[in-house]
Amino acid sequence: EAGVTQSPTHLIKTRGQQATLRCSPISGHTSVYWYQQALGLGLQFLLWYDEGEERNRGNFPPRFSGRQFPNYSSELNVNALELEDSALYLCASSWGTGANVLTFGAGSRLTVL
Amino acid sequence: KQEVTQIPAALSVPEGENLVLNCSFTDSAIYNLQWFRQDPGKGLTSLLLIQSSQREQTSGRLNASLDKSSGRSTLYIAASQPGDSATYLCAVLSGGSYIPTFGRGTSLIVHP
Repeated sequence: EAGVTQSPTHLIKTRGQQATLRCSPISGHTSVYWYQQALGLGLQFLLWYDEGEERNRGNFPPRFSGRQFPNYSSELNVNALELEDSALYLCASSWGTGANVLTFGAGSRLTVL
Repeated sequence: KQEVTQIPAALSVPEGENLVLNCSFTDSAIYNLQWFRQDPGKGLTSLLLIQSSQREQTSGRLNASLDKSSGRSTLYIAASQPGDSATYLCAVLSGGSYIPTFGRGTSLIVHP
């Protein structure tokens, strides 16, 4: 069974540009979570999608957005990039909500110059 | 708002020691608690999931316990090995929000 896959592995952008990160969940998983892990900081919740709908978002500005496609894959868009957006972006999937195991991808490292 | 704290923040031990990592949370209305390990610059690997109705879970040399009433979970690592070196994180799924809240992690180094 394929795990959660994220692309690209690394991405380098300059301030003001836009970045798009992608996530493919485990087959059968309908929920996708996005987290930001900046250097030296913990995992900060960004967005949660389930069954194609945005269910919740963390305390991030509106330039962080995303969507979930009919096949449950998801993308995260970050507009007007700032230096402090440099971080490891982690995607996780689970089957439905509630009491199910959360499985993470390897992450996408975004560097903003 | 759920807050998760992990103690200690860092730990360095010789190979072979038995270890206890702690995770505490402020709101006891949880669905489950999950322990992960993270190698530097990598994603998270799930170790153990404890449902709110369970007291403990075991996998190999790992044992995790949950005491909801006191808002605590403990990860016990038996006979530690250098390959156990990583950051260990706990995540609490709270009732109502369905958003896993993570602690800052315990950075573990096991030296030969």
